[in-house]
Amino acid sequence: DQQVKQNSPSLSVQEGRISILNCDYTNSMFDYFLWYKKYPAEGPTFLISISSIKDKNEDGRFTVFLNKSAKHLSLHIVPSQPGDSAVYFCAASYGNQGGKLIFGQGTELSVKP
Amino acid sequence: DSGVTQTPKHLITATGQRVTLRCSPRSGDLSVYWYQQSLDQGLQFLIQYYNGEERAKGNILERFSAQQFPDLHSELNLSSLELGDSALYFCASSTTGTYSYNEQFFGPGTRLTVL
Repeated sequence: DQQVKQNSPSLSVQEGRISILNCDYTNSMFDYFLWYKKYPAEGPTFLISISSIKDKNEDGRFTVFLNKSAKHLSLHIVPSQPGDSAVYFCAASYGNQGGKLIFGQGTELSVKP
Repeated sequence: DSGVTQTPKHLITATGQRVTLRCSPRSGDLSVYWYQQSLDQGLQFLIQYYNGEERAKGNILERFSAQQFPDLHSELNLSSLELGDSALYFCASSTTGTYSYNEQFFGPGTRLTVL
Protein backbone atom coordinates (compact mmCIF):
# COMPACT_ATOMS: atom_id res chain seq x y z
CA ASP A 1 0.00 0.00 0.00
CA GLN A 2 1.84 3.04 -1.33
CA GLN A 3 0.61 5.98 0.73
CA VAL A 4 2.94 8.49 -0.93
CA LYS A 5 3.38 8.37 -4.69
CA GLN A 6 5.64 10.13 -7.12
CA ASN A 7 4.32 9.07 -10.48
CA SER A 8 7.12 10.51 -12.60
CA PRO A 9 10.33 8.53 -12.23
CA SER A 10 12.27 11.15 -14.17
CA LEU A 11 12.11 14.75 -15.35
CA SER A 12 14.37 16.67 -17.69
CA VAL A 13 14.48 20.48 -17.67
CA GLN A 14 16.58 23.15 -19.34
CA GLU A 15 18.81 25.30 -17.13
CA GLY A 16 17.06 28.51 -16.07
CA ARG A 17 13.56 27.10 -16.51
CA ILE A 18 11.16 25.93 -13.84
CA SER A 19 11.23 22.37 -12.51
CA ILE A 20 7.97 21.05 -11.09
CA LEU A 21 8.04 17.80 -9.14
CA ASN A 22 4.77 16.26 -8.07
CA CYS A 23 3.68 14.03 -5.23
CA ASP A 24 0.32 12.51 -4.29
CA TYR A 25 -0.72 10.97 -1.00
CA THR A 26 -3.66 8.88 0.11
CA ASN A 27 -3.71 9.23 3.89
CA SER A 28 -5.63 12.33 4.99
CA MET A 29 -4.08 12.04 8.46
CA PHE A 30 -0.69 13.20 7.20
CA ASP A 31 0.02 16.63 8.62
CA TYR A 32 3.60 17.36 7.68
CA PHE A 33 5.29 17.04 4.31
CA LEU A 34 8.94 17.27 3.35
CA TRP A 35 11.11 17.24 0.26
CA TYR A 36 14.54 15.67 0.24
CA LYS A 37 17.22 15.71 -2.42
CA LYS A 38 19.60 12.80 -2.87
CA TYR A 39 22.84 12.50 -4.79
CA PRO A 40 24.31 9.06 -5.56
CA ALA A 41 26.30 7.54 -2.68
CA GLU A 42 25.00 10.15 -0.24
CA GLY A 43 22.17 10.31 2.25
CA PRO A 44 19.03 12.35 1.54
CA THR A 45 19.39 16.07 2.25
CA PHE A 46 16.46 18.03 3.65
CA LEU A 47 15.23 20.75 1.30
CA ILE A 48 11.95 22.22 2.45
CA SER A 49 8.85 21.29 4.41
CA ILE A 50 5.24 22.35 4.87
CA SER A 51 2.68 21.66 7.54
CA SER A 52 -0.93 20.92 6.69
CA ILE A 53 -2.11 24.27 8.03
CA LYS A 54 -0.33 26.05 5.17
CA ASP A 55 -0.71 25.82 1.42
CA LYS A 56 2.64 27.31 0.41
CA ASN A 57 6.15 27.58 1.77
CA GLU A 58 9.11 29.30 0.10
CA ASP A 59 12.83 29.07 0.64
CA GLY A 60 14.95 30.81 -1.96
CA ARG A 61 14.56 29.05 -5.30
CA PHE A 62 12.39 26.32 -3.76
CA THR A 63 8.64 26.56 -3.19
CA VAL A 64 6.37 23.78 -1.98
CA PHE A 65 2.64 23.92 -2.63
CA LEU A 66 0.10 21.80 -0.76
CA ASN A 67 -3.42 21.09 -2.01
CA LYS A 68 -5.11 19.17 0.78
CA SER A 69 -8.39 18.63 -1.04
CA ALA A 70 -6.54 16.96 -3.89
CA LYS A 71 -4.01 15.28 -1.55
CA HIS A 72 -1.28 16.65 -3.76
CA LEU A 73 1.94 18.55 -3.20
CA SER A 74 4.48 19.93 -5.61
CA LEU A 75 7.98 21.31 -5.45
CA HIS A 76 8.89 24.19 -7.75
CA ILE A 77 12.52 25.05 -8.43
CA VAL A 78 13.07 28.38 -10.13
CA PRO A 79 15.44 28.90 -11.85
CA SER A 80 16.73 25.36 -12.27
CA GLN A 81 20.49 24.87 -12.19
CA PRO A 82 22.63 21.92 -13.32
CA GLY A 83 23.60 21.36 -9.65
CA ASP A 84 19.95 20.60 -8.93
CA SER A 85 20.27 17.35 -10.85
CA ALA A 86 19.52 14.64 -8.29
CA VAL A 87 16.76 12.34 -7.09
CA TYR A 88 13.99 14.16 -5.22
CA PHE A 89 11.88 12.39 -2.63
CA CYS A 90 8.71 13.65 -1.06
CA ALA A 91 7.85 12.37 2.40
CA ALA A 92 4.93 12.64 4.77
CA SER A 93 4.34 12.08 8.45
CA TYR A 94 1.59 12.35 11.04
CA GLY A 95 1.79 13.34 14.65
CA ASN A 96 0.56 10.27 16.45
CA GLN A 97 3.18 8.13 14.74
CA GLY A 98 6.05 10.17 16.09
CA GLY A 99 8.34 11.42 13.39
CA LYS A 100 8.50 8.45 11.06
CA LEU A 101 8.52 9.48 7.43
CA ILE A 102 6.70 7.74 4.61
CA PHE A 103 8.62 8.31 1.39
CA GLY A 104 7.61 8.35 -2.23
CA GLN A 105 9.65 6.41 -4.80
CA GLY A 106 11.56 9.48 -5.96
CA THR A 107 11.84 11.51 -9.17
CA GLU A 108 15.19 11.87 -10.90
CA LEU A 109 15.63 15.45 -12.06
CA SER A 110 18.11 16.24 -14.82
CA VAL A 111 18.84 19.90 -15.49
CA LYS A 112 20.59 20.37 -18.83
CA PRO A 113 22.90 23.34 -19.48
CA ASP B 1 27.65 17.25 5.96
CA SER B 2 24.50 16.57 7.98
CA GLY B 3 26.37 15.86 11.22
CA VAL B 4 25.04 12.30 11.33
CA THR B 5 27.74 9.66 11.06
CA GLN B 6 27.35 6.03 10.10
CA THR B 7 29.86 3.20 10.14
CA PRO B 8 30.86 1.20 8.29
CA LYS B 9 30.33 2.73 4.86
CA HIS B 10 30.34 -0.64 3.14
CA LEU B 11 29.79 -4.13 4.48
CA ILE B 12 30.05 -7.39 2.56
CA THR B 13 29.04 -10.58 4.29
CA ALA B 14 27.56 -14.01 3.67
CA THR B 15 24.09 -15.41 4.11
CA GLY B 16 23.32 -16.54 7.64
CA GLN B 17 25.73 -14.08 9.21
CA ARG B 18 25.04 -11.25 11.68
CA VAL B 19 26.17 -7.64 11.32
CA THR B 20 25.93 -4.45 13.36
CA LEU B 21 25.50 -1.01 11.83
CA ARG B 22 26.33 2.02 13.92
CA CYS B 23 24.96 5.55 13.90
CA SER B 24 25.87 8.71 15.80
CA PRO B 25 23.20 11.42 15.66
CA ARG B 26 23.78 15.16 15.32
CA SER B 27 24.84 16.83 18.51
CA GLY B 28 21.76 17.57 20.60
CA ASP B 29 19.38 15.31 18.65
CA LEU B 30 17.47 12.86 20.82
CA SER B 31 15.72 10.84 18.13
CA VAL B 32 17.33 8.29 15.84
CA TYR B 33 15.54 6.65 12.92
CA TRP B 34 16.59 3.74 10.74
CA TYR B 35 15.53 3.37 7.11
CA GLN B 36 16.21 0.73 4.47
CA GLN B 37 16.51 1.49 0.77
CA SER B 38 16.62 -1.52 -1.50
CA LEU B 39 16.69 -1.49 -5.32
CA ASP B 40 13.02 -2.19 -5.84
CA GLN B 41 11.74 -0.19 -2.88
CA GLY B 42 11.96 3.41 -1.84
CA LEU B 43 13.13 4.43 1.59
CA GLN B 44 11.30 2.25 4.11
CA PHE B 45 11.06 3.22 7.76
CA LEU B 46 12.32 0.52 10.11
CA ILE B 47 12.39 1.85 13.66
CA GLN B 48 12.71 5.00 15.78
CA TYR B 49 14.32 5.55 19.16
CA TYR B 50 13.88 8.61 21.30
CA ASN B 51 16.25 9.21 24.19
CA GLY B 52 16.93 5.51 24.59
CA GLU B 53 13.39 4.22 24.22
CA GLU B 54 11.69 2.68 21.22
CA ARG B 55 9.14 5.21 19.91
CA ALA B 56 7.82 3.81 16.63
CA LYS B 57 8.21 0.67 14.60
CA GLY B 58 7.77 0.08 10.89
CA ASN B 59 7.97 -3.11 8.87
CA ILE B 60 11.11 -4.27 10.62
CA LEU B 61 11.82 -7.96 10.36
CA GLU B 62 12.08 -10.04 13.54
CA ARG B 63 15.67 -10.86 12.52
CA PHE B 64 16.49 -7.16 12.88
CA SER B 65 16.80 -5.29 16.15
CA ALA B 66 18.05 -1.92 17.27
CA GLN B 67 18.93 -0.03 20.39
CA GLN B 68 19.92 3.46 21.44
CA PHE B 69 22.58 3.86 24.09
CA PRO B 70 22.90 6.45 26.89
CA ASP B 71 25.28 8.51 24.74
CA LEU B 72 22.46 8.51 22.12
CA HIS B 73 24.32 6.56 19.46
CA SER B 74 22.33 3.72 17.96
CA GLU B 75 23.07 0.30 16.55
CA LEU B 76 21.03 -1.74 14.10
CA ASN B 77 21.63 -5.48 14.35
CA LEU B 78 20.79 -7.68 11.38
CA SER B 79 20.97 -11.45 11.88
CA SER B 80 20.46 -14.62 9.84
CA LEU B 81 21.13 -12.48 6.80
CA GLU B 82 19.47 -13.30 3.48
CA LEU B 83 20.30 -12.16 -0.05
CA GLY B 84 17.26 -9.89 0.05
CA ASP B 85 18.69 -7.93 2.97
CA SER B 86 21.22 -6.36 0.61
CA ALA B 87 20.36 -2.67 0.68
CA LEU B 88 21.40 0.79 1.77
CA TYR B 89 20.67 1.41 5.43
CA PHE B 90 20.28 5.02 6.49
CA CYS B 91 20.20 6.50 9.91
CA ALA B 92 18.58 9.87 10.54
CA SER B 93 18.26 12.07 13.59
CA SER B 94 16.02 14.89 14.74
CA THR B 95 15.73 17.10 17.76
CA THR B 96 12.48 15.66 19.09
CA GLY B 97 10.37 12.57 18.66
CA THR B 98 7.16 13.79 20.17
CA TYR B 99 5.75 15.87 17.34
CA SER B 100 6.03 15.35 13.64
CA TYR B 101 6.97 18.92 12.80
CA ASN B 102 10.68 18.44 12.66
CA GLU B 103 12.93 17.55 9.77
CA GLN B 104 15.21 14.57 9.92
CA PHE B 105 18.87 14.75 8.99
CA PHE B 106 20.30 11.71 7.28
CA GLY B 107 23.69 10.07 7.48
CA PRO B 108 25.61 8.88 4.40
CA GLY B 109 24.32 5.32 4.77
CA THR B 110 25.82 1.86 5.05
CA ARG B 111 25.73 -0.28 1.93
CA LEU B 112 25.20 -3.90 2.92
CA THR B 113 25.90 -6.64 0.41
CA VAL B 114 24.93 -10.20 1.33
CA LEU B 115 26.56 -12.86 -0.86
